[in-house]
Amino acid sequence: GQNIDQPTEMTATEGAIVQINCTYQTSGFNGLFWYQQHAGEAPTFLSYNVLDGLEEKGRFSSFLSRSKGYSYLLLKELQMKDSASYLCAVRAGYKLSFGAGTTVTVRA
Amino acid sequence: DAGVIQSPRHEVTEMGQEVTLRCKPISGHNSLFWYRQTMMRGLELLIYFNNNVPIDDSGMPEDRFSAKMPNASFSTLKIQPSEPRDSAVYFCASSSADAEGDTQYFGPGTRLTVL
Repeated sequence: GQNIDQPTEMTATEGAIVQINCTYQTSGFNGLFWYQQHAGEAPTFLSYNVLDGLEEKGRFSSFLSRSKGYSYLLLKELQMKDSASYLCAVRAGYKLSFGAGTTVTVRA
Repeated sequence: DAGVIQSPRHEVTEMGQEVTLRCKPISGHNSLFWYRQTMMRGLELLIYFNNNVPIDDSGMPEDRFSAKMPNASFSTLKIQPSEPRDSAVYFCASSSADAEGDTQYFGPGTRLTVL
């Protein structure tokens, strides 16, 4: 089975940094994804990690430790438009299993 | 390039009625997924097609749900008869083996309300 845990909610101030942690226990591993989902919209792809280490894409970075079953998504220089739900998802074979999502609220 | 296209975007129907949701995957993608999202259960995979063939339908809740993919550019998810507990947002996603990590790209979803 798949077990993916991430915090339910986080709040941060505009311009700050927020780190969203994700821990997983899965049968099989072919990569970890982060998706962003604004209220009422579809999940959109943010990042993909398959090897240990940090992947940086502009203001967003994602880290993976396969031995620890751990990943984080780092959002820097927060903007109001970053208020959304962030979904951690683990791929095993063709199947993506999603965490419940972390709702990030950015305050002015 | 057009993304995944879904229709209708919103559907309101009465219990017992048939509902058909439609999806056009991204051109060139050979994998298609149907998901359901609710507050209680999050995003759940319903069925997975590869090269138009259903590979895994273990997530389909019951016999009231069926899905088809008659060709590479079209898929349907049908609920007959519909029940209030089917109310959810249904997403279609597609991916290509050529994409990094077989990344799945989601359509805008169909918000289904069964009264």
